Amino acid sequence: KNEVEQSPQNLTAQEGEFITINCSYSVGISALHWLQQHPGGGIVSLFMLSSGKKKHGRLIATINIQEKHSSLHITASHPRDSAVYICAVKDSNYQLIWGAGTKLIIKP
Amino acid sequence: EAGVTQFPSHSVIEKGQTVTLRCDPISGHDNLYWYRRVMGKEIKFLLHFVKESKQDESGMPNNRFLAERTGGTYSTLKVQPAELEDSGVYFCASSRPGMNTEAFFGQGTRLTVV
Repeated sequence: KNEVEQSPQNLTAQEGEFITINCSYSVGISALHWLQQHPGGGIVSLFMLSSGKKKHGRLIATINIQEKHSSLHITASHPRDSAVYICAVKDSNYQLIWGAGTKLIIKP
Repeated sequence: EAGVTQFPSHSVIEKGQTVTLRCDPISGHDNLYWYRRVMGKEIKFLLHFVKESKQDESGMPNNRFLAERTGGTYSTLKVQPAELEDSGVYFCASSRPGMNTEAFFGQGTRLTVV
């Protein structure tokens, strides 16, 4: 079992839908990252959080330290949101442990 | 400020050849990390530099991989000799001094060994 589990692995939705991607982890962490990878490969850091909630535009990330769970939400989804979304946690050695990613496709 | 840049963006080499990947971190970022994703698997940590020193190289797969960061600025990752299973995307990230600072990622180098 991977130390960082994401669900779903794949998600296809219609433009405008509210999107939720989940991340559960089993190790002690100092921080959790949500990252976005577009086709063509580059990774962009969306959020780094260690408690509570952060919002940036249509993106919201929450984390529950007690439950070892984080969610990434996208409101009013758009085709340009189509990408792979990756959860990665920083463990007690400050190494990043990566989830497998969630491939999101938003259809117009 | 300029972001993390990696060169080349793509590389196709034959098995047994040597390839050198380069990463230029953001200026002032002491921390530099190498990661890779091989086909169908999660991104995995390779190693971590703090300035020119290797802080953690526990993720390096074998001695065919050599990473350097002379002068504490850009870093190179050399694969010699390359094998088919080395194919994948190699990412570099950098962050400011300190252990829990936000990392910024490069575009990655897609390596194909044929």
